[in-house]
Amino acid sequence: SQQGEEDPQALSIQEGENATMNCSYKTSINNLQWYRQNSGRGLVHLILIRSNEREKHSGRLRVTLDTSKKSSSLLITASRAADTASYFCATDPSGYSTLTFGKGTMLLVSP
Amino acid sequence: DGGITQSPKYLFRKEGQNVTLSCEQNLNHDAMYWYRQDPGQGLRLIYYSQIVNDFQKGDIAEGYSVSREKKESFPLTVTSAQKNPTAFYLCASEGGSETQYFGPGTRLLVL
Repeated sequence: SQQGEEDPQALSIQEGENATMNCSYKTSINNLQWYRQNSGRGLVHLILIRSNEREKHSGRLRVTLDTSKKSSSLLITASRAADTASYFCATDPSGYSTLTFGKGTMLLVSP
Repeated sequence: DGGITQSPKYLFRKEGQNVTLSCEQNLNHDAMYWYRQDPGQGLRLIYYSQIVNDFQKGDIAEGYSVSREKKESFPLTVTSAQKNPTAFYLCASEGGSETQYFGPGTRLLVL
C-alpha cells in the first residue's frame, strides 16, 4: 500500500531557483525520510526527520514535518543541473525499518 | 570499497522460466530488502530479512521467493508464477541507522 504521496509529480525550474516538494502520508509514523534517484539508478538517502522533530537541515536541503497535517516538505535551495532526479519520501510506520515509498517527484533543473 | 552490489544489470526471462537476481553487501548490515519499481511508480516491498535464516513477505510477495543463508547475500528468485515480472528490481540493506542503502538495480525484461 502506498503510504506517502508526493506533490507535484513533476517540477521544472531554472538553475539557481529553489525547488519545493511535498509529501503527505496516512498513518502515524516513527520517522520520515527523503531519497533521491537518478534515472535508472538506485536510491540515495538524503535526510531523515523523526516524528518529534519539526525541521531539519543538511547542506542545501531543508525538510519540515507537520505530524498534525501528516505532511512533509523538502526544499532544495539554489538548485543546480546536477539536482535533476526523482525525489521520494518514505515513511516508517512500524519502527522496524520497513519503509513505504511514495511515487516521487521528478525534478528537472535546466542550466 | 564498501557497498551493495546487484547482478546482472539486465536480465531476460523466457516464458515459464525462473530467474534469480543477486544482491550482495559488505556493509555488515543485518537487514536486507527487495523492492520492485514500475515506470513512474514508487518502490513496492517484495520481501525483507532482518536476520540470517529469517525473512518476511512484503506487500507483493506472490510469484517471488528469497533465501538468506548468509548475512552478505539475499538473492531473489522471480518464479514462473509471477505473470508480470518486467520491472526494475532494487535491493537495499540497513544496519541500525534506520536509513537504507540501495544497490544499482537489475532491470528484468521478458522475451
